[in-house]
Amino acid sequence: EPEVTQTPSHQVTQMGQEVILRCVPISNHLYFYWYRQILGQKVEFLVSFYNNEISEKSEIFDDQFSVERPDGSNFTLKIRSTKLEDSAMYFCACEAGTAGNTIYFGEGSWLTVV
Amino acid sequence: QKEVEQNSGPLSVPEGAIASLNCTYSDRGSQSFFWYRQYSGKSPELIMSIYSNGDKEDGRFTAQLNKASQYVSLLIRDSQPSDSATYLCAARSAFGNEKLTFGTGTRLTIIP
Repeated sequence: EPEVTQTPSHQVTQMGQEVILRCVPISNHLYFYWYRQILGQKVEFLVSFYNNEISEKSEIFDDQFSVERPDGSNFTLKIRSTKLEDSAMYFCACEAGTAGNTIYFGEGSWLTVV
Repeated sequence: QKEVEQNSGPLSVPEGAIASLNCTYSDRGSQSFFWYRQYSGKSPELIMSIYSNGDKEDGRFTAQLNKASQYVSLLIRDSQPSDSATYLCAARSAFGNEKLTFGTGTRLTIIP
């Protein structure tokens, strides 16, 4: 089965610090997503990305968040100044781009802000 | 606000029995529906997708969709201890390339 790779698997950071979460999507996939899951809560959509630009973003995805695909393979989520409430599991996901496709999730990056 | 609702459980089912998981959704425009399994601390893993009214079977799993009632269900036959997990229902308003809206998940425990 194809894999979506995420790094780091776990990061602890101090409040106010910048964090970059990295994802290597499946190579021929065109649509990319970031979701997050606060402990004990539902999986929440953050942002979708297609053709090198944001397709849609949620209310959670404020000015502190940004995404980019710097080199055609990696897909990154940056949080500029982390807050305690940013502590969550962040999932990268991707899909190939035709109707009825499967969305594949990475294993997640667990972010703890202290 | 598009919502997907699930009973959070926990739902306990004896090994070998049928587990029945239910989900309702608020957006009538939703077109495709998914059941994901999530083990504690892990990522969601797709179990089933369903797009048309009726039943869809895949091994021990059967997904059921009723768009008129805005209702999706997942049946797991011959439940195994390895089926113990949280099951997430998700919907999207297109057949592809749009965000998923997840429910809170139902925690299922299979009792040996």
